[in-house]
Amino acid sequence: GQSLEQPSEVTAVEGAIVQINCTYQTSGFYGLSWYQQHDGGAPTFLSYNALDGLEETGRFSSFLSRSDSYGYLLLQELQMKDSASYFCANAGMDSSYKLIFGSGTRLLVRP
Amino acid sequence: DVKVTQSSRYLVKRTGEKVFLECVQDMDHENMFWYRQDPGLGLRLIYFSYDVKMKEKGDIPEGYSVSREKKERFSLILESASTNQTSMYLCASSFPPSDEAFFGQGTRLTVV
Repeated sequence: GQSLEQPSEVTAVEGAIVQINCTYQTSGFYGLSWYQQHDGGAPTFLSYNALDGLEETGRFSSFLSRSDSYGYLLLQELQMKDSASYFCANAGMDSSYKLIFGSGTRLLVRP
Repeated sequence: DVKVTQSSRYLVKRTGEKVFLECVQDMDHENMFWYRQDPGLGLRLIYFSYDVKMKEKGDIPEGYSVSREKKERFSLILESASTNQTSMYLCASSFPPSDEAFFGQGTRLTVV
């Protein structure tokens, strides 16, 4: 089976840096992806790590360590609009890229 | 522009009704998914389809069935709606091996 664990809530100040962690247990593993969802909106894709290490996309970076079954999303120079829920996800080897999501982390950015 | 369209944004149905939720994607994607989203529980996979007429159960398939007769359309069926199926339902599609899934806007279903 597959499970992905995330903290339920994180609070940070505008302009700061915040890290959202994800630990996983899967029967197979292709890579870890991250999605953002604003209240009332649909999830949107942010990033994907197939290999160990850091991937950077603007203010957002994502990290993966396969040996530790662990990844994180790093958000820098936080803005109010970053207040949203963030989900890690994995398409395990159970079948053809069946995408399973973590329970999500709600990020609240304060002024 | 990539698009996944769900037939209804809001639905109210009565207990025991058969309910159809429709999803259409215009990207020629192989994979389509139905998720259910409840507060604090994230996105839970109900059913997954990797090709026309092919389907796999997700984590919470009980009380649901699906149909994929054409590549672009994936339907979720509640055989006999119950109040505990009141939820937000999200459809998504992806093109393997990419992990990038595209979501519809969701259908908020209320069963009374």
